[in-house]
Amino acid sequence: AQSVTQPDIHITVSEGASLELRCNYSYGATPYLFWYVQSPGQGLQLLLKYFSGDTLVQGIKGFEAEFKRSQSSFNLRKPSVHWSDAAEYFCAVVPSGGYQKVTFGTGTKLQVIP
Amino acid sequence: GAVVSQHPSRVICKSGTSVKIECRSLDFQATTMFWYRQFPKKSLMLMATSNEGSKATYEQGVEKDKFLINHASLTLSTLTVTSAHPEDSSFYICSARMDRGNTEAFFGQGTRLTVV
Repeated sequence: AQSVTQPDIHITVSEGASLELRCNYSYGATPYLFWYVQSPGQGLQLLLKYFSGDTLVQGIKGFEAEFKRSQSSFNLRKPSVHWSDAAEYFCAVVPSGGYQKVTFGTGTKLQVIP
Repeated sequence: GAVVSQHPSRVICKSGTSVKIECRSLDFQATTMFWYRQFPKKSLMLMATSNEGSKATYEQGVEKDKFLINHASLTLSTLTVTSAHPEDSSFYICSARMDRGNTEAFFGQGTRLTVV
């Protein structure tokens, strides 16, 4: 069955430290991949997306993600975390080929400590 | 980026009444709109997919008679929670896609529904 896994439910990092949020997927072919951020009580904002091409994609707010086909992963990274990055982060996939629904991972809640 | 507006952002209603949530694409035409429900500390669960001018496609386990979805125009979709009960309290989020070939969906800000 197709699935998206975010192994870490909750992560705490110090402000200024680096961050990596993990995402693994299980699909028959390489899907389209997304990372979204959700602040408390808010909707989702797209951070970045991967459709094809360069496997390292740059997003907004200083985030980047790397697609690794061999590991079926699409991990999100940021070199230096800011207090305003505290939020919940969702990895999402859409099967390649066009019109398909979005499947979300279970989310990782990021806490940033001073 | 494209903007999707969801209204209201918060609503409290009495048990047994119906509530309508609107989802509008402000600067593009949305061929397809999606409705999600988010439970506390859980991911977003797709409820249904609606295409303009046709009936919505509901996910397994979602009661179509309870969650009425209408996609009457290319910029508006509505979700009506009928005869709401406390267990329907949740965070509902809509998203919109421009066309079938465009895989990026844009999300509304969500609606917090509380049924008392």
